[in-house]
Amino acid sequence: AQTVTQSQPEMSVQEAETVTLSCTYDTSENNYYLFWYKQPPSRQMILVIRQEAYKQQNATENRFSVNFQKAAKSFSLKISDSQLGDTAMYFCAFTDNYGQNFVFGPGTRLSVLP
Amino acid sequence: EAQVTQNPRYLITVTGKKLTVTCSQNMNHEYMSWYRQDPGLGLRQIYYSMNVEVTDKGDVPEGYKVSRKEKRNFPLILESPSPNQTSLYFCASSPWLGETYEQYFGPGTRLTVT
Repeated sequence: AQTVTQSQPEMSVQEAETVTLSCTYDTSENNYYLFWYKQPPSRQMILVIRQEAYKQQNATENRFSVNFQKAAKSFSLKISDSQLGDTAMYFCAFTDNYGQNFVFGPGTRLSVLP
Repeated sequence: EAQVTQNPRYLITVTGKKLTVTCSQNMNHEYMSWYRQDPGLGLRQIYYSMNVEVTDKGDVPEGYKVSRKEKRNFPLILESPSPNQTSLYFCASSPWLGETYEQYFGPGTRLTVT
């Protein structure tokens, strides 16, 4: 069974600084999909970024980028120029090539400090 | 507006009293799924459905039932709720065909079983 680990339960960063959230996963699959979801205090789950395992290029969405290391099974999220609105829980998630089962990590609570 | 709706948003009930949490999406998505969110555990998949009349177990299906009689609706049924089912529940849908596997989440249902 696949597992997703987020080793940082809580993190904080100063506004305008850069922060990196860690995620590692375990799978025997060769092709799969990885996601970062954001959950602000409103509880709404919002997709931040998605990476297909067969793509070597790291995904980027504005201030959010990932460092995908397939061999190391690592998928970290970098947030540049942190903003107060980035304060949220961040979940790393995995699904296999069939997109049926989804496995989420335990989450990292990020606080952006003014 | 494209959205996933859940009802009720908050529910307090007693052990053993059957309940249903409704989920509906207006995006014509094939895939729908239920998750529960607990502190320190992230989101765990309960059941998912690839299309009408097609459902399958996720990682934590015990104590839950689902049905998919219409494409837009995917209710979660707790036949005999117990206190360990106190949790935050999310419904999600995805345009599974096309292989983006991006999930759109409902606003969540906070369930308390006493």
